[in-house]
Amino acid sequence: DAGVTQSPTHLIKTRGQQVTLRCSPKSGHDTVSWYQQALGQGPQFIFQYYEEEERQRGNFPDRFSGHQFPNYSSELNVNALWLGDSALYLCASSLEGFFSDLTDTQYFGPGTRLTVL
Amino acid sequence: KNEVEQSPQNLTAQEGEFITINCSYSVGISALHWLQQHPGGGIVSLFMLSSGKKKHGRLIATINIQEKHSSLHITASHPRDSAVYICAVRPSGSRLTFGEGTQLTVNP
Repeated sequence: DAGVTQSPTHLIKTRGQQVTLRCSPKSGHDTVSWYQQALGQGPQFIFQYYEEEERQRGNFPDRFSGHQFPNYSSELNVNALWLGDSALYLCASSLEGFFSDLTDTQYFGPGTRLTVL
Repeated sequence: KNEVEQSPQNLTAQEGEFITINCSYSVGISALHWLQQHPGGGIVSLFMLSSGKKKHGRLIATINIQEKHSSLHITASHPRDSAVYICAVRPSGSRLTFGEGTQLTVNP
C-alpha cells in the first residue's frame, strides 16, 4: 500500500517563476492538506482540499492556489515566486476530511524542497 | 505568542537517557498530535491524543486537557531517535496548528 507520494523531490526556480507541486494521497484517503515548512520552523497550513474543493485556507496569499482531481491527487501552484517561498512543501492525506472524529490521523508525504534563487 | 509552544527547542542527550519534550497550547482542542520528522523532511505520526496517556514501545505521550499541556517521553534513548519532534493541536472544527519542533540529538 503506497503511502503519500510527492513530486518532484527537489526543485530550483528563480524569482518571478511559477511552480507546480504534486501529491498523491495514501490509498483510500480523500482529503489532501498542504503545508509550508521554512527551515527551522514548524509546518504552516496552506490549504486543504476535499471533494475537489478548497475547504479551508491558511494565511497565504492568492499566489498560492491548488487543485484536487477526481482521483484525489492534488496540485499546489505558486505564482510569482519570491525568495521567501523557499521551503519544504509537505502534503498530507486523511480520510473524510479534517473535521471527522472518526479519524484524526494525517499521513505525510516526504515533501518537495523548493529553492527560489 | 504562538498557539503551540514547545520546550526545549534543542535537546542533546546521551544514549540511554530518559527524555522529555513538553508542549503547551493556548486554545481548546479536540486532539493533539506528536510527530517525528527526520532529516530530509519525512514526517511520521507518533501519537494522537485527546486524553490520558498512550504508549508505543519506548515512547510515551501524556496530555492534561485542563492544564493544556502534553509531554512526550522517550525511555532508553538511542541515536536513531535523533529527529525533530513536533507537537500539533487541532482546535475543534479547525486545522492542525504546529509547534516549531524540538531538535533531539542522542549521542552514542
